[in-house]
Amino acid sequence: DVKVTQSSRYLVKRTGEKVFLECVQDMDHENMFWYRQDPGLGLRLIYFSYDVKMKEKGDIPEGYSVSREKKERFSLILESASTNQTSMYLCASSQQKPNTEAFFGQGTRLTVV
Amino acid sequence: AQKVTQAQTEISVVEKEDVTLDCVYETRDTTYYLFWYKQPPSGELVFLIRRNSFDEQNEISGRYSWNFQKSTSSFNFTITASQVVDSAVYFCALSESGGTSYGKLTFGQGTILTVHP
Repeated sequence: DVKVTQSSRYLVKRTGEKVFLECVQDMDHENMFWYRQDPGLGLRLIYFSYDVKMKEKGDIPEGYSVSREKKERFSLILESASTNQTSMYLCASSQQKPNTEAFFGQGTRLTVV
Repeated sequence: AQKVTQAQTEISVVEKEDVTLDCVYETRDTTYYLFWYKQPPSGELVFLIRRNSFDEQNEISGRYSWNFQKSTSSFNFTITASQVVDSAVYFCALSESGGTSYGKLTFGQGTILTVHP
């Protein structure tokens, strides 16, 4: 069974903390993505990576950075967490070919207090 | 820029009713891909169906069917004989084509479907 696994389901962090969200996929996919989900806004792309050490900004990259040192692992970093980053974060992966769906992790609900 | 609009925020139906979820999209690409995903209360998005821009044939898969019309930029999704287990948030999404961007999705706002027994 193919899988995208996110390290935590729930996280509570304090304002100003550095936060790491980890994601691992076992499908040998080239592409990996981090989305943020907020009510009424759907999912918005934060960053994506199309190869090891390669990344591109999505629609809302401000306040975030990413790291992809290995093909299977993609990390989202909040350098200094703020309350407006309280949200559901979803990781996804896909092949780099046409008409391919993305596979999603179970999500991490982050609360910044 | 790509955009996906799901005008229905919430839909409530009684079991066994048919329900159609609307999706309208905007893109300048001539080749693109459309998807429907389901997000049950567990949180994980589950892929349901896909359609590419050069194939307007509408299909039925079990209780699911979809109506893709390029002329109106719409990709509507129908669940026939709804069941309580269909209760979830449904997302329509649009994918870019070309190069490294496959799988990169623009999502609609989501439609919350509640099916009552």
